[in-house]
Amino acid sequence: DAEITQSPRHKITETGRQVTLACHQTWNHNNMFWYRQDLGHGLRLIHYSYGVQDTNKGEVSDGYSVSRSNTEDLPLTLESAASSQTSVYFCASSEGSAHGAFFGQGTRLTVV
Amino acid sequence: AQTVTQSQPEMSVQEAETVTLSCTYDTSESDYYLFWYKQPPSRQMILVIRQEAYKQQNATENRFSVNFQKAAKSFSLKISDSQLGDAAMYFCALGAGGTSYGKLTFGQGTILTVHP
Repeated sequence: DAEITQSPRHKITETGRQVTLACHQTWNHNNMFWYRQDLGHGLRLIHYSYGVQDTNKGEVSDGYSVSRSNTEDLPLTLESAASSQTSVYFCASSEGSAHGAFFGQGTRLTVV
Repeated sequence: AQTVTQSQPEMSVQEAETVTLSCTYDTSESDYYLFWYKQPPSRQMILVIRQEAYKQQNATENRFSVNFQKAAKSFSLKISDSQLGDAAMYFCALGAGGTSYGKLTFGQGTILTVHP
């Protein structure tokens, strides 16, 4: 079965360190997204990609970057982790607007 | 800009009863889709039901149905015959059509508790 997987599931890092969260999907979807989930805010879009070499900023992109070198993967990098980036991060992929999106299991990131 | 508002941070229901979760939205798009996602304690995001804005008929999936009021920009979720497994966080989400390709705007979420 096709799926979307994130790694790691949990991570603790120190302020100022660079962190990369992995996302891998086997749906063969062109469209991939990163969201962060915070209490009271729901899920907010960080970055998204509509295909290889395409990346776009979302609502809360400051301090984050993504790259898309193939269809399957969209890694999210925190350039210099800050305590405000402590959150649960979700990767998602979609065939198109009518279909909604499939989500990974989420990564809980704690910045200390 | 699109916005989605869930005004009920928490709701509770007795097992076997019916509960309705509220959602309002705002968009300037004429082509859009609405979704309800369920997030149980496992953290997995599960698509519960979807509604195309161009369809007047309300979507139904087993015990889950929506009341879509396009003019009022309201999209509520009704859960009938509530079960203990329905306890979760529920998110309302809006996706524009056209070139948005699955990008979603989410509400703040409603925590649903089911009492035995």
